[in-house]
Amino acid sequence: GAGVSQSPRYKVAKRGQDVALRCDPISGHVSLFWYQQALGQGPEFLTYFQNEAQLDKSGLPSDRFFAERPEGSVSTLKIQRTQQEDSAVYLCASRRGGTGTSVRNEQFFGPGTRLTVL
Amino acid sequence: QKEVEQNSGPLSVPEGAIASLNCTYSDRGSQSFFWYRQYSGKSPELIMFIYSNGDKEDGRFTAQLNKASQYVSLLIRDSQPSDSATYLCAVIIQGAQKLVFGQGTRLTINP
Repeated sequence: GAGVSQSPRYKVAKRGQDVALRCDPISGHVSLFWYQQALGQGPEFLTYFQNEAQLDKSGLPSDRFFAERPEGSVSTLKIQRTQQEDSAVYLCASRRGGTGTSVRNEQFFGPGTRLTVL
Repeated sequence: QKEVEQNSGPLSVPEGAIASLNCTYSDRGSQSFFWYRQYSGKSPELIMFIYSNGDKEDGRFTAQLNKASQYVSLLIRDSQPSDSATYLCAVIIQGAQKLVFGQGTRLTINP
C-alpha cells in the first residue's frame, strides 16, 4: 500500500507569488493534518480535516494560508502572496480514524514539500 | 514557555552505549506521548508511543512517562550508527487531535 504522498517535493517561489501544495493521504484515512517545519525546529500544526470538514485551523499563521479537502481525500494547502518567512518544509499526515477514535492512532507523515521563497 | 521542550543537542553517544533523550511538557491535560525519529531531509517516523505512567519497552527502545513530573524520556540501548537522527517528542492534549512537537534532539552515534 502506498503511503502519504506530497507534491511538489520542492518549490521555489518569488516573494509575492501564490503557491499550492498537494497532499494525497493513505487511501481510506479519515483524518488529515498539515504541519509546518522550519529549519532546525519541530513540526508545528497548521490545520486538521476530518473527511472534508476542516475542524481546526487554529495553527494557520495568517489569512494568506488556506487549506481545503473538498472530497475528503486529496488536500491542497494554498499560500497567497508568499513571504520569506513562509520558507519551510510543509508536512502532511493522515490517520485512519477521526475524532471518535483514539488519538493514539498513528499519524503517518508524507515526505514533505520544501518551500523556498526568494 | 514552550508547550513541549527538548534539549536540542547535539547529543553524542558511543556505539553500543545507552542514549537517553528527555522531554518535558507544560500542559497537565496532555494524554498521549509520542517519540518520532527524523533522518535529515526525511519525514518523521513513529518509533514509540506511551500514555500510562511507567515504562514501555519495544526492542532496543524504552519510553518512560512520569505525569506527576510532566516528563517523558526515550532510552535507546545498544546504540547503532543508524540511530543517528533527530528525535522529536510530541504530545496530544486531551480534547485535541493535533500533535504538539518539541524542537527535537539531534543524536549522533559514534562508531
